[in-house]
Amino acid sequence: NAGVTQTPKFRILKIGQSMTLQCAQDMNHNYMYWYRQDPGMGLKLIYYSVGAGITDKGEVPNGYNVSRSTTEDFPLRLELAAPSQTSVYFCASKEGTDYSNQPQHFGDGTRLSIL
Amino acid sequence: RKEVEQDPGPFNVPEGATVAFNCTYSNSASQSFFWYRQDCRKEPKLLMSVYSSGNEDGRFTAQLNRASQYISLLIRDSKLSDSATYLCVVSTYSSASKIIFGSGTRLSIRP
Repeated sequence: NAGVTQTPKFRILKIGQSMTLQCAQDMNHNYMYWYRQDPGMGLKLIYYSVGAGITDKGEVPNGYNVSRSTTEDFPLRLELAAPSQTSVYFCASKEGTDYSNQPQHFGDGTRLSIL
Repeated sequence: RKEVEQDPGPFNVPEGATVAFNCTYSNSASQSFFWYRQDCRKEPKLLMSVYSSGNEDGRFTAQLNRASQYISLLIRDSKLSDSATYLCVVSTYSSASKIIFGSGTRLSIRP
């Protein structure tokens, strides 16, 4: 199994450009997450999804949008890139049940610079 | 008060030493606990889950103290390859979004 796959690995954007960060998982996990991690800081939750067709905001959703049309894919969209969105973005997935003690599995990240 | 707090370190210890980290959490309804390690510029990777009775995986031992609301990680006979940031993660079963990451404890093992 590939696990959680993120593309691209690196990207440089100009201010005001838009792009989509791709995330796919092949573990049939219900729950998927997008985090950002700024240098020397912890993970901050941007958006999450508990299943296809269901998404919800996390701690820092402004400037981002997500969709979840399938169980496998959870793309993150930046509509108007700003320098404050320069960060490393991690996608994660986990089995989701009300009584699940399962850990998250992370993709290897997308390093995004906005210039 | 942060929901999950860790000593940021850095801890700088010689190879072969034993080192321990604590992590405190504020939500008494927390039910799942994990330790992840994160290498520089890499993704977090699961090190071990933490069970109520405590658990061991090779040189690593994790403990949970519900009464005092903390978890701990003990690393014995530390190796150079143990140098990383260790993240404490606390969650509740019933909420997909209530997965709280600590900011991490940096560990550096010197030869």
